[in-house]
Amino acid sequence: GAVVSQHPSRVICKSGTSVKIECRSLDFQATTMFWYRQFPKQSLMLMATSNEGSKATYEQGVEKDKFLINHASLTLSTLTVTSAHPEDSSFYICSASREWERGEQYFGPGTRLTVT
Amino acid sequence: GNSVTQMEGPVTLSEEAFLTINCTYTATGYPSLFWYVQYPGEGLQLLLKATKADDKGSNKGFEATYRKETTSFHLEKGSVQVSDSAVYFCALRSDRGSTLGRLYFGRGTQLTVWP
Repeated sequence: GAVVSQHPSRVICKSGTSVKIECRSLDFQATTMFWYRQFPKQSLMLMATSNEGSKATYEQGVEKDKFLINHASLTLSTLTVTSAHPEDSSFYICSASREWERGEQYFGPGTRLTVT
Repeated sequence: GNSVTQMEGPVTLSEEAFLTINCTYTATGYPSLFWYVQYPGEGLQLLLKATKADDKGSNKGFEATYRKETTSFHLEKGSVQVSDSAVYFCALRSDRGSTLGRLYFGRGTQLTVWP
């Protein structure tokens, strides 16, 4: 199979603090990982695409300095929400692909972030 | 550009009823088409896919046919179960240009099946 995990599954943090979310491909090497944000009852919004060892490519309107993405290895990508505010509260989902361009994306279970 | 339009929910059905969730798309080139399912509090799971025109994807009793002439990929199931209650997302994967490999999702359709 192709299993992707995320940690933590839920996190509550105070406004102004930073929080890190991990995305791991457990049984395959992911050349590309994607980070999505999902608002309640809405679709997934692609935030950024990251290739191992390269800088992430952010979608228009996504603040690079606020949402730091690191793809340090073929099995791990991290999303750090810096100086979080209540409006950053959302469901964050990552996906991983074995190959760029035509590779199928395998999705993690998501992380529910609540900023108080 | 690339986009996906899904019928808005929620959809509420009785067990064993017939299900159709409409999905149409706009794309340049020849995208692949997908249906994903999301159970409460979970990430997305691939339900089925089709990679070229006239292909039919099927899984767990669900089917969808890639119709290029109508730019549609409607999801159907002949007899739904309570366990099918979830949110269903239609998506396309771009096959060219600067958006190569990127997924575009519809807004999702909430399905609730009552016993």
